[in-house]
Amino acid sequence: GAVVSQHPSRVICKSGTSVKIECRSLDFQATTMFWYRQFPKQSLMLMATSNEGSKATYEQGVEKDKFLINHASLTLSTLTVTSAHPEDSSFYICSARETGLNTEAFFGQGTRLTVV
Amino acid sequence: AQKVTQAQTEISVVEKEDVTLDCVYETRDTTYYLFWYKQPPSGELVFLIRRNSFDEQNEISGRYSWNFQKSTSSFNFTITASQVVDSAVYFCALSEDTSGGSNYKLTFGKGTLLTVNP
Repeated sequence: GAVVSQHPSRVICKSGTSVKIECRSLDFQATTMFWYRQFPKQSLMLMATSNEGSKATYEQGVEKDKFLINHASLTLSTLTVTSAHPEDSSFYICSARETGLNTEAFFGQGTRLTVV
Repeated sequence: AQKVTQAQTEISVVEKEDVTLDCVYETRDTTYYLFWYKQPPSGELVFLIRRNSFDEQNEISGRYSWNFQKSTSSFNFTITASQVVDSAVYFCALSEDTSGGSNYKLTFGKGTLLTVNP
């Protein structure tokens, strides 16, 4: 299957700082990418849908000013957690879908964010 | 609204036992996809299967098999002769959009933690 690379895999940051997470589709073009969040021992919750060249669509309850999403090219979407707080500590995982009809979505390796 | 229920939070078996993970879904759409993913301790999601709503044939892949029953809205997953390496969290998921549009959201169940003991 296609490869989605997410970086970094782990990050520790101080409260009040911002952290950027990258999601790249390595061997295909992705018009749409998705960002999920997973708390320990819980399910994955969709945060937002990232569309290349346009604004992301955020799910209800997700602060768009706190979780900035940029999808500047067909192979890269970034999620920036701004002014991070300890409650933002979580596992963030992206998925990317190939351009076209009925295509599969592949997941990145995930990023474990710890805010201290 | 779509919903996926995995009633089994944790299952523990001994190696070589067969184990079935249950998944029940709710959707108003007639066209949808169902998925199973494996999440090992390292965290990445490993794709196992995708099944569309018009294909009710059961599928077998090695030790894995899936039973899709539209009448009961279930998509159960069976591992035969389980192995220690099968230990992971398994997620069932549902997608209602198969039109090729940008809305290809996955709704996940809460997951089932499978522990296979030697």
